[in-house]
Parts: sequence; structure tokens; C-alpha cells
Amino acid sequence: AQSVTQPDIHITVSEGASLELRCNYSYGATPYLFWYVQSPGQGLQLLLKYFSGDTLVQGIKGFEAEFKRSQSSFNLRKPSVHWSDAAEYFCAVVPFKAAGNKLTFGGGTRVLVKP
Amino acid sequence: ETGVTQTPRHLVMGMTNKKSLKCEQHLGHNAMYWYKQSAKKPLELMFVYSLEERVENNSVPSRFSPECPNSSHLFLHLHTLQPEDSALYLCASSQETSGGVHNEQFFGPGTRLTVL
Repeated sequence: AQSVTQPDIHITVSEGASLELRCNYSYGATPYLFWYVQSPGQGLQLLLKYFSGDTLVQGIKGFEAEFKRSQSSFNLRKPSVHWSDAAEYFCAVVPFKAAGNKLTFGGGTRVLVKP
Repeated sequence: ETGVTQTPRHLVMGMTNKKSLKCEQHLGHNAMYWYKQSAKKPLELMFVYSLEERVENNSVPSRFSPECPNSSHLFLHLHTLQPEDSALYLCASSQETSGGVHNEQFFGPGTRLTVL
């Protein structure tokens, strides 16, 4: 069965430090890949997405993600974290050319930013 | 502001009540979704509507009843809920194209539901 794993439930990082959030998926073919962010009390906002092409994807708010087919991973990175980046981050996949746009989400990683 | 609104933002109801959640999208999309976000479980897809037709019912109990009267509006009718149904219910929309290309989903802020 298709699954998405975010191994880190919580991450604490100092403001200005770099951040990397891990995402692994289990699926026979390369799916569409997404990263969403959820601030407290808010819905989900798309940070970036990968469909095909360049495996390094740039997103909003200074985030980027790298698709590695050999590792079935799509890790999210930011070189320098700001206090406003404290939120929960979700990796999600949709099977390529599947009927219906059915996102499968990982469990999320909650990021805490220390001053 | 994502272009997807949900009302109410908070709802407290008893197990015998009947209530409805409303979602409206102002993006001209042709597909809408309901998700459930519980405290200790991943986001779960509940229902998918494409061109106002339900294309997915992800084994959701019948006490949840969706309705999509047009491509801009989506409802979730609730009746005889259980305390374990307390969660954040998120609505989303997307523009689906032919050929199986999936575009990003835009999410509303959610309705925080508490069942007493």
C-alpha cells in the first residue's frame, strides 16, 4: 500500500540555523510530491511540489526540496530558519496518473524555533 | 487567504445534534475534498467530488454525509456523531485536468469540531 513517512515528529532548531525535514514514500512509481505547511489554527499552505524534471525544487518562503528516486525521498530544506517558520510540515503524495487527486499525507513534523 | 472559506470555524455539538459544515471556493476549481485531521493521526481523506460527482468515499461512517450542490460549494452534514469524531475538518479544492495530471490542492482554514 502507498505510504508516506516523516520520521521526525518534532524538530527544534535555533533561529538562523539550517533546517532539513525528511520524507520517504513507498510507491511503485514516482508519484507527485508535495510539501505543505500548517501554522497554528490555520489550514494547509503549499510550499512546493515536484511533478517531473529538475530534482531540486524551489518553493515559497525560501524553502527547497530535493527528490531522490534511489532513496524514495523528498526532503525539505531551508538554509536559515526564521521564527515565523515554527509550524507543522506535511509531506504528501499523489500517484502519477491515478484516478482522482487523492493526497496521502505523512504524519507531519512539528518545528519549534528557538530564539 | 487561499480562496477557500469554511464556516463555522468552531463547532461544539452533542451526540444527538444535527449540524452542517460549509465550504466555499472562489477559485473556479472543479474538484473539492473533505479531510479529517485528528490529534494523533495523519490527515485522512474523507470524500472527493469532481465536477459535482462524488468519486471517492474513503470508508467514512454514514453519520457523515457530504453534499456538493455546485462546483463552488461543499457541505458535510453531521448527525449522531461520537466523541472520537472531534477533529479539525479541512476542505480543499483543485483544478483537475484530463490525462491524470494532478494539480495542487488549496485548503481552507478548517472547522474545529468538538463532540460532547
